[in-house]
Amino acid sequence: NAGVTQTPKFQVLKTGQSMTLQCAQDMNHNSMYWYRQDPGMGLRLIYYSASEGTTDKGEVPNGYNVSRLNKREFSLRLESAAPSQTSVYFCASTTNHGTGTFFYEQYFGPGTRLTVT
Amino acid sequence: DQQVKQNSPSLSVQEGRISILNCDYTNSMFDYFLWYKKYPAEGPTFLISISSIKDKNEDGRFTVFLNKSAKHLSLHIVPSQPGDSAVYFCAASVTLSGTSYGKLTFGQGTILTVHP
Repeated sequence: NAGVTQTPKFQVLKTGQSMTLQCAQDMNHNSMYWYRQDPGMGLRLIYYSASEGTTDKGEVPNGYNVSRLNKREFSLRLESAAPSQTSVYFCASTTNHGTGTFFYEQYFGPGTRLTVT
Repeated sequence: DQQVKQNSPSLSVQEGRISILNCDYTNSMFDYFLWYKKYPAEGPTFLISISSIKDKNEDGRFTVFLNKSAKHLSLHIVPSQPGDSAVYFCAASVTLSGTSYGKLTFGQGTILTVHP
């Protein structure tokens, strides 16, 4: 099991460029998440997908879009990158009990370090 | 408004001694709490969790204590080892809501350094 994988590991963009961060999990998890980590801020939720076919905004969604391509894959797109989006991006996944109201702990990928100049 | 706070940016401990990492929260709806450990250039890894129906959970050298009235939790590591040196994040979730979908709110993290 590879767990949660993310590509690329590093990326440098110029202001205004676009890119897509890829995430895939092989644990058959229902729910997937995108976080960003900034110094002194902890991890903040950007978008999440509770299940295949659904996506919803988190705490800091502005400037981002997501696609839940299938149960395994959840991508994050920056349409027009800004220096404020310089950060480390983490994808995570988890599953829930059959009741659907309680979730296990999240498993994280290794992260993508993005610099926007 | 930071709903989960780790007020100590760093902690330095001697090998073999106890490490105590603290976390405070403000949202009384939080009912599930987790600790994650993060090494440089890696993603966070789950360490231990506790439900609000308990006040203590233990897993080997790691124990998490929850004080609901004070809205405070702590992680105890005994004995501390140099390999425990990492950033520790506490996180909280609202599980009783049908729309929580496992979303986590994280603290800022505490850098733990364990000296040999």
